[in-house]
Amino acid sequence: KAGVTQTPRYLIKTRGQQVTLSCSPISGHRSVSWYQQTPGQGLQFLFEYFSETQRNKGNFPGRFSGRQFSNSRSEMNVSTLELGDSALYLCASSFGDRSTDTQYFGPGTRLTVL
Amino acid sequence: QKEVEQNSGPLSVPEGAIASLNCTYSDRGSQSFFWYRQYSGKSPELIMFIYSNGDKEDGRFTAQLNKASQYVSLLIRDSQPSDSATYLCAVNNGFSGGYNKLIFGAGTRLAVHP
Repeated sequence: KAGVTQTPRYLIKTRGQQVTLSCSPISGHRSVSWYQQTPGQGLQFLFEYFSETQRNKGNFPGRFSGRQFSNSRSEMNVSTLELGDSALYLCASSFGDRSTDTQYFGPGTRLTVL
Repeated sequence: QKEVEQNSGPLSVPEGAIASLNCTYSDRGSQSFFWYRQYSGKSPELIMFIYSNGDKEDGRFTAQLNKASQYVSLLIRDSQPSDSATYLCAVNNGFSGGYNKLIFGAGTRLAVHP
């Protein structure tokens, strides 16, 4: 079974630009969660989507947004990029409908903002 | 108080020894607990999950959960140099609220020396 895939793997942008990252979950998984990982803050929860609905959102500004499509693929968008947005962005997929849910991570997208 | 706390390490153990990694969490309503391993520059890889009090063994790994003490641990027996990585403790405290949300500790860096 194929794992979680993320594209692109690397991105370099400049301040003020926007970026869209994509995540394809494991087949059969309907939940996609996004996380940001930085050396200073560690792994932080951004938001979770399940069956095209955002179920929860972390403490990030509105510049961070996402969506999920009917095939469970998800995208996240960051507008008006800031230097502090440089990070590894990880998505994780799971079934999303059971208390024993387990999330599996993709390889991540490394975003550098210059 | 951080929601999930781990010693940052590094924890240095000789090859063949038992490595003991510890984690405490603050939300008594948390239902599921995970250990992920992350090599430098890579994404987190699931090692163990545990939902019930007690021990759970999988090969060289044993996860221990004590909900009364809000404590989770991971034991790695017969440690190998390839086990050298950062170990992330994660707690899912969202399911009772109808969503997934993993809260991560800062991670413990393990170094296994020959």
